[in-house]
Amino acid sequence: EAGVAQSPRYKIIEKRQSVAFWCNPISGHATLYWYQQILGQGPKLLIQFQNNGVVDDSQLPKDRFSAERLKGVDSTLKIQPAKLEDSAVYLCASSTRGGGEQFFGPGTRLTVL
Amino acid sequence: KNQVEQSPQSLIILEGKNCTLQCNYTVSPFSNLRWYKQDTGRGPVSLTIMTFSENTKSNGRYTATLDADTKQSSLHITASQLSDSASYICVVSPATSGTYKYIFGTGTRLKVLA
Repeated sequence: EAGVAQSPRYKIIEKRQSVAFWCNPISGHATLYWYQQILGQGPKLLIQFQNNGVVDDSQLPKDRFSAERLKGVDSTLKIQPAKLEDSAVYLCASSTRGGGEQFFGPGTRLTVL
Repeated sequence: KNQVEQSPQSLIILEGKNCTLQCNYTVSPFSNLRWYKQDTGRGPVSLTIMTFSENTKSNGRYTATLDADTKQSSLHITASQLSDSASYICVVSPATSGTYKYIFGTGTRLKVLA
């Protein structure tokens, strides 16, 4: 069974630029999560989708971050404009249902200069 | 406030030795508690999952214990190997209706030396 795929694996941008991350969850998984993990900390949930609907985006900085999951499969997370404090690893995870075991992708390491 | 705290923050041990990582939580009521292993540059991978009624769960050389009364969990690693070097994250899910939540600890960074 293929795992959660993410791209790119690494991204370096300058502040005020925009960036987008892509996630392809495990086939059949209805729930998709985006996390931000700052070095030395645990992951922080940014947004949770159930199929193509948003379940929880309470910690998503909506003035600069946006995410979508068209057709309830792939998802993209965008940052525009980026700030220095956005430097982190962005993890995508999926589960068969909300509350189920999460399977994580390898993450995208973002560096904002 | 629902919180998950882990200790120690980091740990260095010699190959072949045992070690125990701690997780204290204030989440109540809670549905389940998971331990994840996160290798450098990779996403977390689930090691064990325990519901509130379980006391222990093993996965090879990894054994997790849970004391729901004291709200403490531990992860014991037996006969450590170099490949055990990673961060170990404790995750607690509150028992709530509707939206499911995952409360992540900050992790313990383990280094196993030859």
